[in-house]
Amino acid sequence: GQQLNQSPQSMFIQEGEDVSMNCTSSSIFNTWLWYKQEPGEGPVLLIALYKAGELTSNGRLTAQFGITRKDSFLNISASIPSDVGIYFCAGMEYGNKLVFGAGTILRVKS
Amino acid sequence: NAGVTQTPKFRILKIGQSMTLQCTQDMNHNYMYWYRQDPGMGLKLIYYSVGAGITDKGEVPNGYNVSRSTTEDFPLRLELAAPSQTSVYFCASSRGPYNSPLHFGNGTRLTVT
Repeated sequence: GQQLNQSPQSMFIQEGEDVSMNCTSSSIFNTWLWYKQEPGEGPVLLIALYKAGELTSNGRLTAQFGITRKDSFLNISASIPSDVGIYFCAGMEYGNKLVFGAGTILRVKS
Repeated sequence: NAGVTQTPKFRILKIGQSMTLQCTQDMNHNYMYWYRQDPGMGLKLIYYSVGAGITDKGEVPNGYNVSRSTTEDFPLRLELAAPSQTSVYFCASSRGPYNSPLHFGNGTRLTVT
């Protein structure tokens, strides 16, 4: 099956720092999504991107859909302790199915 | 405001036993999905359904079966549990059919020993 390359695998940052993570694919996707997962819970949708070049914000989170439709990035500004978790990118295939990256583990030092 | 509900939260099975993971959603979504999540890896699609009576295989369907007799419910069946099926299982739903984000349940952690 298709695979997404998500990086970095993990980050340990100081509270207040900005965070950047990205996802690349060998295939084109028409929709990119970013999810966050906290321990013991399912992934929760953060941002959905529907058009190449689209830049969308949700509070301190900003995500972009790459022009080539093969990549996306997520930025978190001024990180806080509750940002801790695993962040997943996902590309949407035909038939409304998601292909996930392996996730970025974010730890925040306060 | 329940969303997607999965039961049980945890289960330990012996090799060769069978069980059904339950999933129900109250959002009247047509599309439902089962994913498994292994440590350090993203979620992989096991089976999905685009409506009652219709199911199809995902990327990793071997060892599993599903049924969809109602819009609300999408149970996942393991017939002969194997250690390789130790994982966290997530059910999800979406409105479908295009560009509709998936909403996930809180998962079932299954250990097969």
